[in-house]
Amino acid sequence: DGGITQSPKYLFRKEGQNVTLSCEQNLNHDAMYWYRQDPGQGLRLIYYSQIVNDFQKGDIAEGYSVSREKKESFPLTVTSAQKNPTAFYLCASSILETGGGQQFFGPGTRLTVL
Amino acid sequence: GENVEQHPSTLSVQEGDSAVIKCTYSDSASNYFPWYKQELGKRPQLIIDIRSNVGEKKDQRIAVTLNKTAKHFSLHITETQPEDSAVYFCAASKYPGTASKLTFGTGTRLQVTL
Repeated sequence: DGGITQSPKYLFRKEGQNVTLSCEQNLNHDAMYWYRQDPGQGLRLIYYSQIVNDFQKGDIAEGYSVSREKKESFPLTVTSAQKNPTAFYLCASSILETGGGQQFFGPGTRLTVL
Repeated sequence: GENVEQHPSTLSVQEGDSAVIKCTYSDSASNYFPWYKQELGKRPQLIIDIRSNVGEKKDQRIAVTLNKTAKHFSLHITETQPEDSAVYFCAASKYPGTASKLTFGTGTRLQVTL
């Protein structure tokens, strides 16, 4: 999982601002995912993508947007419409495999809204 | 949608003892069940996974069992060591051949005491 990177590690945002979190992988994985993690909770899926130029909403997509212009990259934008954006954001990638494939996680970005 | 419940939320064991974490899932179509370990401030890392055509899988001190009829699966760690202290997450997925859209449990904080 050293082949998936996220930047920045820490991000501070003022209310009303949009911010974009970067996720890059060199594992040649087709699928990429964004999760949100809050204290004491599990990971919740925001968006996922199986192929370039295509993506689907996860369980908590409101207030977020993504793009998948390259296989290696899957940036997440946290918009001002997200009411409670302070959280730890994790990106993951996997191959497409019958029955589900192992997801490899990036190191995460901790977003704090001031 | 899928719902995964995980118990207990915290677990304290003495070094050398065994630890058991249990998860239940709601969707009988789920067929892939990974377990992730997350140390404080770090990314989740896969420690073991099981598919619905298998009842048990072992990897050294770690084992996972699956009961499809009851829709529950468990993680067993034997001979626990201080480095096993972390948060453990179970997950379930039901999309064969597509992106493994995982639903996570809320996590178990395992503390191994000397």
